[in-house]
Amino acid sequence: KNQVEQSPQSLIILEGKNCTLQCNYTVSPFSNLRWYKQDTGRGPVSLTIMTFSENTKSNGRYTATLDADTKQSSLHITASQLSDSASYICVVSRENTGFQKLVFGTGTRLLVSP
Amino acid sequence: DGGITQSPKYLFRKEGQNVTLSCEQNLNHDAMYWYRQDPGQGLRLIYYSQIVNDFQKGDIAEGYSVSREKKESFPLTVTSAQKNPTAFYLCASSMSSGGYNEQFFGPGTRLTVL
Repeated sequence: KNQVEQSPQSLIILEGKNCTLQCNYTVSPFSNLRWYKQDTGRGPVSLTIMTFSENTKSNGRYTATLDADTKQSSLHITASQLSDSASYICVVSRENTGFQKLVFGTGTRLLVSP
Repeated sequence: DGGITQSPKYLFRKEGQNVTLSCEQNLNHDAMYWYRQDPGQGLRLIYYSQIVNDFQKGDIAEGYSVSREKKESFPLTVTSAQKNPTAFYLCASSMSSGGYNEQFFGPGTRLTVL
């Protein structure tokens, strides 16, 4: 079954601290893996997209890693800010006859506390 | 939210009524998508359109209908046949539906059935 599982479900950290969010997937055939940030009541915004051959990608204070052998990804947030409070969604794309089918995780809800 | 707009932001519907959610994009994207988001679940695909005048059912199309008469517009109708329509609805678009294409999301419409 094609699934994306994220952990932890929720996380509270102090402003300025680092954190790492985890994503495990069983999606096949794998095309690429994406991390999105979703503020409450808003649409998701893309942070990174990684293909099979990429094992790390950064976007400012966000760094995503991918281990295609173990089917795991992580999102590391450095020097957290209050504006980082949001849900972070891991998404794996399946390639199927030219159509990218996205499989969404349920997200990790991050709260950055002052 | 890029160049994708959704309206209205909040929508209330009585049981037995059909309602139409608007989605417009000015990104000149060929592909457009409708997703549904429920608490504790990942986004689920309702319908998608790879090109104007063509659309396909997603994973949960029952009780919904769409049209794609113009490249920039992809309205979603929630019919009275949808058993549990209360949810957050997200529209997205991408350059095309295959490959490495990033999906850009709109701000969403929250539908509540009274």
